[in-house]
Amino acid sequence: AQTVTQSQPEMSVQEAETVTLSCTYDTSESDYYLFWYKQPPSRQMILVIRQEAYKQQNATENRFSVNFQKAAKSFSLKISDSQLGDAAMYFCAYRGPTGTASKLTFGTGTRLQVTL
Amino acid sequence: GAVVSQHPSWVICKSGTSVKIECRSLDFQATTMFWYRQFPKQSLMLMATSNEGSKATYEQGVEKDKFLINHASLTLSTLTVTSAHPEDSSFYICSARAQRTYEQYFGPGTRLTVT
Repeated sequence: AQTVTQSQPEMSVQEAETVTLSCTYDTSESDYYLFWYKQPPSRQMILVIRQEAYKQQNATENRFSVNFQKAAKSFSLKISDSQLGDAAMYFCAYRGPTGTASKLTFGTGTRLQVTL
Repeated sequence: GAVVSQHPSWVICKSGTSVKIECRSLDFQATTMFWYRQFPKQSLMLMATSNEGSKATYEQGVEKDKFLINHASLTLSTLTVTSAHPEDSSFYICSARAQRTYEQYFGPGTRLTVT
């Protein structure tokens, strides 16, 4: 079974600084998808960024970027120019190959605090 | 963008009663919907996967007779918690997978409190 590990229960960053959240996963598949979700206090899950395993180029969405290391099965999220609104729980998630049986497997989450 | 709604957002019920939670994809069709449970400060735990027109597939350890799931149309899935007990109190989140793009979108969640 696939597993997703987030080893940082909590992280803190100062406003305008950069922070990196770690995620590792285990799979025997070669084709899969990785995601970072943000869950603010409202508890609405928000997709931050996604990465297809077949793409070598790291995904980027404005201030959010990933470092995808397929061989190491590592998928870290970098948040640049951190803002107060970035404070939330961040979940790393894995999804297997596209198919009716594919489903998201979530990590345990990292709580990010943003300080002034 | 794709929107998933859940109703109610918050419900309080008495022990022994049943409560139904609705999940709707508002602007897309979803052949597959997922139901998650989330305890405070924990991750999302998948309870079951429902496919339109067929029986739901439950994860190991989830009581299918207690958590009844119906996916009657391409835009609506319901979760009924039967004979609720205080330990069923939790945050329930649904997610709908778009038929065309395969992207998964999340509802805002339902907080269930059983007294």
